Amino acid sequence: QVQLVQSGAEVQKPGDSVMLYCKASGYTFTDHYVHWVRQAPGQGLEWMGWINPNTGDTKYPQKFQDRVTMTRDTSVSTVYMDMSSLRSDDTAVYFCARIYRDDYADTYYFDQWGQGTLVTVSS
Amino acid sequence: DIQMTQSPSSLSASIGDRVTITCQASQDIGKHLNWYQQKPGKAPRVLVYDASNLGTGVPSRFSGTGSATYFTLTINSLQPEDIATYYCQQYDHLPQVTFGPGTKVDI
Repeated sequence: QVQLVQSGAEVQKPGDSVMLYCKASGYTFTDHYVHWVRQAPGQGLEWMGWINPNTGDTKYPQKFQDRVTMTRDTSVSTVYMDMSSLRSDDTAVYFCARIYRDDYADTYYFDQWGQGTLVTVSS
Repeated sequence: DIQMTQSPSSLSASIGDRVTITCQASQDIGKHLNWYQQKPGKAPRVLVYDASNLGTGVPSRFSGTGSATYFTLTINSLQPEDIATYYCQQYDHLPQVTFGPGTKVDI
């Protein structure tokens, strides 16, 4: 079955960097974009960007352009997200999510999610 | 950027009630609107895609309507397992997507 399995919880200090991973299985890795979405404690969902596992192309919203880098390793069907210059307000659960896209039907939605990784930023 | 708003931000209802959540976009997004359900401590799950299509395995008591800037998610006959937070999400201006702020449903 389709699965996205994420790395374990992290505790980092302000100013540090963190790299999270999202390992895909049960489907052709290069067929689906992967997005990252985060959720601060008690807050809503915030979109962080996507990577095309086939080409390595990425897109980030302006808020994260300077601090987030998404990469992939097709040999192990894994997407990585690196976030630098961490602040306390980066404390959140970080989700990876697969996109189901059908350009003919004009459809685009997150059909599979990872279990989430809690990142705590604290001195 | 497209802004999404939802109302109410939270609601309390009884088992069997009909519940309606609204989502508004700051500009016309056609039918490019999805709804997700998130239970505490879990990842979100798609309920409705393209404004009105039910996701796989989603009970028929859920339904979505709307287009352009105004959308609704309705739960007919609220069940205990429907306690969750519901988010709308637009994808009209790809490559960017935007989530609404969420509506928390309690019993």
